[in-house]
Amino acid sequence: QQQVKQSPQSLIVQKGGISIINCAYENTAFDYFPWYQQFPGKGPALLIAIRPDVSEKKEGRFTISFNKSAKQFSLHIMDSQPGDSATYFCAAKEGADGLTFGKGTHLIIQP
Amino acid sequence: DAGVTQSPTHLIKTRGQQVTLRCSPKSGHDTVSWYQQALGQGPQFIFQYYEEEERQRGNFPDRFSGHQFPNYSSELNVNALLLGDSALYLCASSFRPSQTEAFFGQGTRLTVV
Repeated sequence: QQQVKQSPQSLIVQKGGISIINCAYENTAFDYFPWYQQFPGKGPALLIAIRPDVSEKKEGRFTISFNKSAKQFSLHIMDSQPGDSATYFCAAKEGADGLTFGKGTHLIIQP
Repeated sequence: DAGVTQSPTHLIKTRGQQVTLRCSPKSGHDTVSWYQQALGQGPQFIFQYYEEEERQRGNFPDRFSGHQFPNYSSELNVNALLLGDSALYLCASSFRPSQTEAFFGQGTRLTVV
């Protein structure tokens, strides 16, 4: 049972555009929702995270939008740059449990 | 600050063999979690160690076992290797299991032939 569903699987965006990646979850006990960025041959690096009591969080060019009633959250990358080309994972966590990850989105920013 | 370090970076084993992977957590962290990331997939939680005990386990068979040492470093052991065990094995550390921010190492790429 996949508890966190991520879409799209791959995404191509022009430089300067907005990249949007979506995730949906099933477990209403999840209370922490991070996004990770992973480059080839590297481990995932935490980008930004949100708690369900907040509807939006912004850090620089990265914004998480959270819709608790719909059990969905999304990552927006503003002014996307070629250096943002990577695989992005949404994840969710309940209390002190381990992270449950989505399957990832391969993002390519075209110059 | 060295961050989370894993060794070795790459490993090739034969089916049926046993393997041990090692992880040193980020300075100040006392909790280590292990994840398996198959090619093209998201990481899957294997188990978590805190206070030298396995406190939570994901949906992995008993062939996967671990250990945490008094200095908080950890080992992941996999017995009777299968071809399907080929993956990137990631270690993540945090301060206490309840801390939300987990830092990942670069992983160990295990290939089973």
